Amino acid sequence: RKEVEQDPGPFNVPEGATVAFNCTYSNSASQSFFWYRQDCRKEPKLLMSVYSSGNEDGRFTAQLNRASQYISLLIRDSKLSDSATYLCVVKDSNYQLIWGAGTKLIIKP
Amino acid sequence: EAQVTQNPRYLITVTGKKLTVTCSQNMNHEYMSWYRQDPGLGLRQIYYSMNVEVTDKGDVPEGYKVSRKEKRNFPLILESPSPNQTSLYFCASSPHRDSYGGYTFGSGTRLTVV
Repeated sequence: RKEVEQDPGPFNVPEGATVAFNCTYSNSASQSFFWYRQDCRKEPKLLMSVYSSGNEDGRFTAQLNRASQYISLLIRDSKLSDSATYLCVVKDSNYQLIWGAGTKLIIKP
Repeated sequence: EAQVTQNPRYLITVTGKKLTVTCSQNMNHEYMSWYRQDPGLGLRQIYYSMNVEVTDKGDVPEGYKVSRKEKRNFPLILESPSPNQTSLYFCASSPHRDSYGGYTFGSGTRLTVV
């Protein structure tokens, strides 16, 4: 079992719709959680950290469920520019980042 | 502008020919790291460095070397490249290894070994 698992997609979503992805992690001692965005094999860029109480940044909402060991990302009112691969990242107790393989999102006009 | 600079962006080389991929950051970060990214897999850490002259192996260090003689530079060295090292490589940095925030990445180096 992979340490961090994501549905690879692609998720094909019409513009303006709401889309959500989940990511599961295996190490219950994981300390920090992040979502990164990666465009077409360019460098990953931090989208948002995920806090225990959940957090929101504009159209993006991240949630953490420690009991079930998953994090989620919700995108509201999706834009064409949201098309990208979304990477789930978990920092373990040794401060190492464990990366998911990513979920590909395609927003269609 | 705060950034991580990698060179070259693209490289095609032959098996066994030593090469170096450079990485430099201008943010005075202590922590630097090298990753490789292959289709269907998450980024895998090759080596990391917590500060000058302090380096350690990541998950996939075989066939690679690094050095950290200055804080800003963290080159990745392939002494004898092989085709299974064909990949997309990223250098990343952060203030400290246990910084809560995320990493800043370089633009990537697409390496092909024939």
